[in-house]
Amino acid sequence: DSGVTQTPKHLITATGQRVTLRCSPRSGDLSVYWYQQSLDQGLQFLIQYYNGEERAKGNILERFSAQQFPDLHSELNLSSLELGDSALYFCASKGNGDTQYFGPGTRLTVL
Amino acid sequence: EDQVTQSPEALRLQEGESSSLNCSYTVSGLRGLFWYRQDPGKGPEFLFTLYSAGEEKEKERLKATLTKKESFLHITAPKPEDSATYLCAVQPKRGGADGLTFGKGTHLIIQP
Repeated sequence: DSGVTQTPKHLITATGQRVTLRCSPRSGDLSVYWYQQSLDQGLQFLIQYYNGEERAKGNILERFSAQQFPDLHSELNLSSLELGDSALYFCASKGNGDTQYFGPGTRLTVL
Repeated sequence: EDQVTQSPEALRLQEGESSSLNCSYTVSGLRGLFWYRQDPGKGPEFLFTLYSAGEEKEKERLKATLTKKESFLHITAPKPEDSATYLCAVQPKRGGADGLTFGKGTHLIIQP
């Protein structure tokens, strides 16, 4: 158990809909990262937050957005969903060291 | 653009048969190279961080090594419970912006 929690575990929705994925980092970790894992693309970095502020963006679509709240939990919002957005979404957190610790993931299925 | 290539894509070994997994990388300034293990439907589990060429890290039957262009994950006398996908990732030297770039992984199967 990494100490990172993600909810929900599974999410099934329809094209065009909007969903919110939630992540609670390890206690004390200020950095939160979001990654998407699909069969063809592998694990891809989406976005990073540090203590409530956006720090870096990766391959994140404009339909996706995220935020980190004062209690350090983070939410990833996915809108206008397409079939190709079906994937595993992982959150990771990092403290003062270099290691990112990953949560168990949310499996999103868009029908 | 940072790139990580892992080979082979899949590897099937007999229990006790040692082998190595390869991770080739290009990055504009390497801060660290990471190895993770991922079981089906689970989140990646951290194994090792390597920072400089020549560095080695060991954990049970696994040993990771690093050169300026690649890293190897050596598996000695593997057991069926070592079956998993092994992921390699690089972290660039970019101040506080440190999202990882991952390879597509090596799917390892150890047969009893």
